[in-house]
Amino acid sequence: GESVGLHLPTLSVQEGDNSIINCAYSNSASDYFIWYKQESGKGPQFIIDIRSNMDKRQGQRVTVLLNKTVKHLSLQIAATQPGDSAVYFCAENPQAGTALIFGKGTTLSVSS
Amino acid sequence: EPEVTQTPSHQVTQMGQEVILRCVPISNHLYFYWYRQILGQKVEFLVSFYNNEISEKSEIFDDQFSVERPDGSNFTLKIRSTKLEDSAMYFCASRGRSNQPQHFGDGTRLSIL
Repeated sequence: GESVGLHLPTLSVQEGDNSIINCAYSNSASDYFIWYKQESGKGPQFIIDIRSNMDKRQGQRVTVLLNKTVKHLSLQIAATQPGDSAVYFCAENPQAGTALIFGKGTTLSVSS
Repeated sequence: EPEVTQTPSHQVTQMGQEVILRCVPISNHLYFYWYRQILGQKVEFLVSFYNNEISEKSEIFDDQFSVERPDGSNFTLKIRSTKLEDSAMYFCASRGRSNQPQHFGDGTRLSIL
């Protein structure tokens, strides 16, 4: 069935390290992917998105990589800071205008 | 930066009662959504709304649920005859054009007693 999942439920890093959060998706027809950050008591906050006609997109300190061959998505955070501590979700959009399908989330913990 | 706002932040209700969760989407957005998140679990889609009608709904969104856009700014989710298992965070989201991401509010925590 259609699902989006993350490989690791938790990730612990030191401040200043680079973090990589992974996600596998199952719907090969999905053409739009988004990474969200969710801090405690808040809603998902948009970080970065990528369309299926791209394999890499960069933002400020973040990079998303898309490998359509193996249906894999990753979020790279450079120079991770304590403020990056949160739960990170990937979400796929099977078709424009439809609902987002979320994965289970990875909890990123950054220690000083 | 424009935000999606949701009220109340926490709603406590007796089982069997009706609740209305309220959302003010970003003002120039056209697509509206409700999602829910049971504690510790992933975010699940409930319903999407465009052009004053439901455009898509999940299996969760049964006859117990309804949505309404009563005026030009509010978007509401009504849950009738609430059950214990309706306890969750409910998130509203909105989106502008079809090639833009959905933006979420901070949610309403619904506790059914």
